[in-house]
Amino acid sequence: AQTVTQSQPEMSVQEAETVTLSCTYDTSESDYYLFWYKQPPSRQMILVIRQEAYKQQNATENRFSVNFQKAAKSFSLKISDSQLGDAAMYFCAYRSHPSFNRDDKIIFGKGTRLHILP
Amino acid sequence: EAGVAQSPRYKIIEKRQSVAFWCNPISGHATLYWYQQILGQGPKLLIQFQNNGVVDDSQLPKDRFSAERLKGVDSTLKIQPAKLEDSAVYLCASSLSTNDWTAGELFFGEGSRLTVL
Repeated sequence: AQTVTQSQPEMSVQEAETVTLSCTYDTSESDYYLFWYKQPPSRQMILVIRQEAYKQQNATENRFSVNFQKAAKSFSLKISDSQLGDAAMYFCAYRSHPSFNRDDKIIFGKGTRLHILP
Repeated sequence: EAGVAQSPRYKIIEKRQSVAFWCNPISGHATLYWYQQILGQGPKLLIQFQNNGVVDDSQLPKDRFSAERLKGVDSTLKIQPAKLEDSAVYLCASSLSTNDWTAGELFFGEGSRLTVL
């Protein structure tokens, strides 16, 4: 069974600085999706960035980028130029690719609470 | 495009009472999920529907929880009778069909926060 581990329950970063959130996962599948979701306090969860395992190039969305290391099963999120609005819970998630949909589940990590210090 | 709609946003009940939550997914999304998120934890899947069929309900406490998606569109999650440990946010999410190669992303509603006293 797949697992997702976020080893940092909380992190803090100074505004305008860069922070990296860690995520490791375990799977025997060769193709899958990885996601980072953001959940601001009392607000809905939204997608930050997505990576498809067959793509070697790391995904980037504006100030957000990932370091995807498939062999190491690592998927970290880097936030550059941190802003106050980045304060939230961040969840790493794994999903089987539809073509391997024998047991399609989306597995979430326990989350990392990110604080932005003004 | 309208997002995932959930209601009610907040509900307070006493233990042993019943409660129901409603979810309307994004139009055209075949897959619908109900997650339970206890404070400080990640979402835990309760049940997953593909159209009106259940794909996975292995973590649904079936002695007290039930869910249906009769017409393959909106869905209702019911808890009866509620326990103190059911206090959580119940998240509904939807996605395109799991057979779609562009599938992957889940779209979440704002959640229904349940407090059981």
